[in-house]
Amino acid sequence: GQNIDQPTEMTATEGAIVQINCTYQTSGFNGLFWYQQHAGEAPTFLSYNVLDGLEEKGRFSSFLSRSKGYSYLLLKELQMKDSASYLCAVRDNDMRFGAGTRLTVKP
Amino acid sequence: GAVVSQHPSRVICKSGTSVKIECRSLDFQATTMFWYRQFPKQSLMLMATSNEGSKATYEQGVEKDKFLINHASLTLSTLTVTSAHPEDSSFYICSAWGGLGDTQYFGPGTRLTVL
Repeated sequence: GQNIDQPTEMTATEGAIVQINCTYQTSGFNGLFWYQQHAGEAPTFLSYNVLDGLEEKGRFSSFLSRSKGYSYLLLKELQMKDSASYLCAVRDNDMRFGAGTRLTVKP
Repeated sequence: GAVVSQHPSRVICKSGTSVKIECRSLDFQATTMFWYRQFPKQSLMLMATSNEGSKATYEQGVEKDKFLINHASLTLSTLTVTSAHPEDSSFYICSAWGGLGDTQYFGPGTRLTVL
C-alpha cells in the first residue's frame, strides 16, 4: 500500500521560514505534488516534482529525493495569509494525498 | 491567468436523485480534467481523470456507474452523481492543467448535501 506522512500541525512566525516535510512509501512513482488549501476553499496548486532536486517558485520551493521517499515544501518570508493546510500528494498508479499539514502563521 | 469554473457552487437534493456538476475551463482548452472529493476535515481524494472524447479513468474504489463523467468538449467536463445518498454529501472539486501545462488550476468546488 501507500503511505504519505506529513506533520499534522506547524506554527511559525511572520517573516520566518518554515519547512514542511513529506515522506512516502509507494510501489511506483510518477510525481509528487504540493497544494495549499485555505479552510472552506478549493486547493491551489503549488508545485510538481518528478525529478530529484529543488524547484523554486517565488517564496515557495519544493524539494524531492526519490531514493529517500522524501520531499519538503519550503515557505520563505512567511505572511499571515500563508496560514492554511498544505497537502502532499504522490502519484504512482493511483493518486494519494497526505492528511495535510495545518500551518499557523503568528505575528 | 487560467480560470476553471464549477456550477453549481452548492446543491441540496433528496436521496435517490441525480445531481450534475459542471466544470469549465474558461480561457484555455483542457484535454484532461480531474475530479476530486473531500469529506469534512479530511484530505482530498482523486476520483477520476476525465479525458476529452474518451472514457474517464477512475481511481480504485470509485464506482464508475455511480459517478458518471462526460468530457464532451475541450472546455467542459461533467460529473453526475447518480442516485445520490447522504453518504455522497461532500465537497466536489475539479481541476485542469493550463497555461503552459505547468500549473494545475482548480475550480472553486461544489458542496453537495444529500438529505
